[in-house]
Amino acid sequence: DTEVTQTPKHLVMGMTNKKSLKCEQHMGHRAMYWYKQKAKKPPELMFVYSYEKLSINESVPSRFSPECPNSSLLNLHLHALQPEDSALYLCASSQDPSGQETQYFGPGTRLLVL
Amino acid sequence: AQSVSQHNHHVILSEAASLELGCNYSYGGTVNLFWYVQYPGQHLQLLLKYFSGDPLVKGIKGFEAEFIKSKFSFNLRKPSVQWSDTAEYFCAVNPINTNAGKSTFGDGTTLTVKP
Repeated sequence: DTEVTQTPKHLVMGMTNKKSLKCEQHMGHRAMYWYKQKAKKPPELMFVYSYEKLSINESVPSRFSPECPNSSLLNLHLHALQPEDSALYLCASSQDPSGQETQYFGPGTRLLVL
Repeated sequence: AQSVSQHNHHVILSEAASLELGCNYSYGGTVNLFWYVQYPGQHLQLLLKYFSGDPLVKGIKGFEAEFIKSKFSFNLRKPSVQWSDTAEYFCAVNPINTNAGKSTFGDGTTLTVKP
């Protein structure tokens, strides 16, 4: 199984809502990532979890709150988002966070903030 | 911090034409290099990668890339493109050791292959 799954596929939320994005992998990978991708732009790294601990936070606003409940799951909690946060949110995983392993990407959650 | 530059933003080719997409990176340390492809409506997937050894690496679907260390380049090539190669192509670098895990992607190249 080389699949990373993400739910929901689409999400529309208001600026006062609280929602969560979920990501799951069963490849035994110990590094998991959140990326943000705007249309016609490259993925931008947001967070990296290494062995279930947050290892990299790319100066992401606090309205985005990641969580790694266990080695297979990664959540991204959203609160008080802005319209400019509308984007495709990608989850990825790799065997380890050394930078020497391929990242496997999920299909993404397309988020629209109204 | 590292950066990645892809020179071609949009490339339009006819089927059977040869392809070369440029990628240059800037980073003071050792990196691993990747090309990812995003087909319309699909998620990012790995085309090929370079870690060490032979600088000419072969990937899926007939793609190959050459790492030229002196030029900080990792250009993607395919001798004869097909209509099904129409996609967005991203070059990415991962530093190892310091900043390991901090992947940086280039802006991407949109390839359109005309049948």
